[in-house]
Amino acid sequence: AQTVTQSQPEMSVQEAETVTLSCTYDTSENNYYLFWYKQPPSRQMILVIRQEAYKQQNATENRFSVNFQKAAKSFSLKISDSQLGDTAMYFCAFSNSGGGADGLTFGKGTHLIIQP
Amino acid sequence: KAGVTQTPRYLIKTRGQQVTLSCSPISGHRSVSWYQQTPGQGLQFLFEYFSETQRNKGNFPGRFSGRQFSNSRSEMNVSTLELGDSALYLCASSFYGTSYSYEQYFGPGTRLTVT
Repeated sequence: AQTVTQSQPEMSVQEAETVTLSCTYDTSENNYYLFWYKQPPSRQMILVIRQEAYKQQNATENRFSVNFQKAAKSFSLKISDSQLGDTAMYFCAFSNSGGGADGLTFGKGTHLIIQP
Repeated sequence: KAGVTQTPRYLIKTRGQQVTLSCSPISGHRSVSWYQQTPGQGLQFLFEYFSETQRNKGNFPGRFSGRQFSNSRSEMNVSTLELGDSALYLCASSFYGTSYSYEQYFGPGTRLTVT
């Protein structure tokens, strides 16, 4: 079974700073997908970014980018120029290549607080 | 496109009762997954449906069940409710058929409180 570990329960940074959230995972699969989801106080889960394991290039979405290290099984999220609206719980999630049927395996989450 | 919708948004039930939650996926999405979110256990996968068939189920007791209709809408049912079933129940849909089939889009959730 896959496991996802987020070692930072909470982080706090000043607005406009850059912050990196850590995530490690364990799997015996070679093909899989990794995701970062954001859950603000409204509780709506929002997909932030995705990474396919077979792609060496790190995914980027505007201010969000990942550092995917397949050999180290590490998948960190970098948020540049952080904004107050980035305050939320961030979950790292894993999906195997079985057609999505196995569901997502989530980490425990990191509570990110952006201070004004 | 409208997002994933879930009804009801809030629900209060008594121990021993049963409850049915509903989820309407994004138009064109054929896969629907359900998750339970609690402070103690975090986010846990309940089950996934595609073309009215349950393809996989997480480690939950048989009191948790679901189904999917021909229009891809899904319902989940919890029978004989226990206090520990109090949670946020999230539904997610995905479009199955391309490499983007693994992206799941979540609804706002149903907050279930069991008293």
